Order: sequence, then structure tokens, then C-alpha cells
Amino acid sequence: EAGVTQSPTHLIKTRGQQATLRCSPISGHTSVYWYQQALGLGLQFLLWYDEGEERNRGNFPPRFSGRQFPNYSSELNVNALELEDSALYLCASSRDRFNYGYTFGSGTRLTVV
Amino acid sequence: SQQGEEDPQALSIQEGENATMNCSYKTSINNLQWYRQNSGRGLVHLILIRSNEREKHSGRLRVTLDTSKKSSSLLITASRAADTASYFCATDQGIYSSASKIIFGSGTRLSIRP
Repeated sequence: EAGVTQSPTHLIKTRGQQATLRCSPISGHTSVYWYQQALGLGLQFLLWYDEGEERNRGNFPPRFSGRQFPNYSSELNVNALELEDSALYLCASSRDRFNYGYTFGSGTRLTVV
Repeated sequence: SQQGEEDPQALSIQEGENATMNCSYKTSINNLQWYRQNSGRGLVHLILIRSNEREKHSGRLRVTLDTSKKSSSLLITASRAADTASYFCATDQGIYSSASKIIFGSGTRLSIRP
């Protein structure tokens, strides 16, 4: 089966612009999770979508938003980009995270200049 | 704040030796998971241990969980060069799925010397 796919692999934006990151979960997985990993640091929880609804949100400003489409793919939007938004953004999906954990995509490296 | 904290932050051992990494957390959990990350790429799920389990094995990996001490350890036996990576523990907290999320620690960087 195909894994979690993320696009683009790399993204370079200018401060103040908007970035859109995309994620397709494994077929049959209805939940999508977004994490931010700044260079050399751990993962910070951003957003959790399930069945098209936002279920939980981490401690990030409102300019971080997203949505989940009927086919369960997801989009993360970051508005008014700041230099500190530069990070690896990871998407994960799960069929049952209480028993199987997450499957991660390879991430999108966002660089804000 | 991070739920899980790994110890040590960095570990360098000789190939063939065993590597032990520890994780401490603060609140009650549903389960604890370990992941591996190679060179800033996506994370790979290694093993999940439920809160009512004390030990779990998978190949060369052994995970223990002590809920009374709120700690876990990951043991990699007979290490190989390919084990060089960052290892993260992650705790799935909360009782109600609508409020819970998986929280990751800051990771242990493991280097295997040939």
C-alpha cells in the first residue's frame, strides 16, 4: 500500500507570504495529524483532523490553519510567514493510533527568507 | 511543554554494543510509542506499549514501561551502523479521544561507531 505522501518536498517563501502544504494519508485512514519540527528539535503538535473535522489543535497562532477534504487528504496553510516558521512539517495518519501509532510522511521542508 | 523527555540527549557507542535510551513523562497515558528518524526525514514507528503492559519485544528492540515512575526505556541490542538515527518517545495522553493527542519528546541522537 502507498504510504503517507506529502508535497511539496521543499518550499521556499518570503516573510509575509502564505504557504500551503499538502498531505495524503494511507488509504483507509481517516485521521491526519500535522506536526512542526524546527531544526534539531522535537515535534510540536499542530493539528488533528478526523472525518473532515478539526479535533484538536496545538499551541500555535491562528495563522496556522488547515482542512481535511472528503477523500481524507489534508492541507496545512500558514499565513503571514515569519522566519521562525522555517521547519520540517510532518504529516501522519493512523488507522487506530491507540493500538498502532502513526505512519509519517517524509515531510515538507519550509524555508522562510 | 513536552510530555516526554528523553535521556541522554546524545549517545555514541561501538557497533555491536547495546544502546539504552530512557523517556520520562508527566501525566497518565493510554500508551507510549518509540519512533526513529533518519537525517531529518519522516519518523518510523518502532513499537507501541500500552499502559497496562510492562515489557514488549520486537526483533532487537526491547521496551519497558513503568507507569508508577512514569518512565520507559528502549534497548537496542547488538547495534549496527544502520541504527544511527534520532529516537523519540511519544505519549498518547488523555482519556477522551477528542481531547487527546500524541506528544513527542525532544529525542536521543544515537551514533554507532564502526
